Amino acid sequence: EIVLTQSPATLSLSPGERATLSCRASQSVDISLAWYQHKPGQAPRLLIYDASTRATGIPARFSGSGSGTDFTLTISSLEPEDFAVYYCQQRTNWITFGGGTKVDIK
Amino acid sequence: QAQLVESGGGLVKPGGSLRLSCAASGFKFSDYAMSWIRQTPGKGLEWLSHIGYGLTTIYYAESVKGRFAISRDNAKNSLYLQMNSLRVEDTGIYYCVRDRKQFAPSDWFDPWGQGTLVIVSS
Repeated sequence: EIVLTQSPATLSLSPGERATLSCRASQSVDISLAWYQHKPGQAPRLLIYDASTRATGIPARFSGSGSGTDFTLTISSLEPEDFAVYYCQQRTNWITFGGGTKVDIK
Repeated sequence: QAQLVESGGGLVKPGGSLRLSCAASGFKFSDYAMSWIRQTPGKGLEWLSHIGYGLTTIYYAESVKGRFAISRDNAKNSLYLQMNSLRVEDTGIYYCVRDRKQFAPSDWFDPWGQGTLVIVSS
């Protein structure tokens, strides 16, 4: 099983700041990595797939990068609606998710 | 707009059974692979099962193989998960999810339903 480790567990930032979230895989997943946003009481939402491709309707302030074992989700300037939990997911060897990074308001 | 609505969750005793349903709307259900994913206190997000658009491919996570059964009714735009021999550790929120791509699955999930809560407790 491929283990995805997300860091930090919590990121406390202010609106307008840049958020940088990390996801590390226990073995290479090439670019087979996605990012999801999850707000309390709502359905999780696909943000990024294939490591760097934005899903339909996702604002340009969200960007993904990386390949192999190290990946980054960047939110260039946090909007109030971006405070949420973010998960990464791989599909190379079955399907597994990371433990999540909570982005909360400082 | 694609939408998924789960139902059927509830409180059940260990060893009991539940059948979850997912009603799909806003897209051609028969063209997409579907999956169930859960979120539990112990394991976080966990993929459980996949069913292909043509019903020819079905996969299960080891943790539920032999206990859970996925099915779909394309005429009713519905996905199901029959859960038997439930355990305390099966407690969590169960999400119905659609594959992002028509036909050949991408294993990226979009959209997700809002989930249905399953509690396994004596």
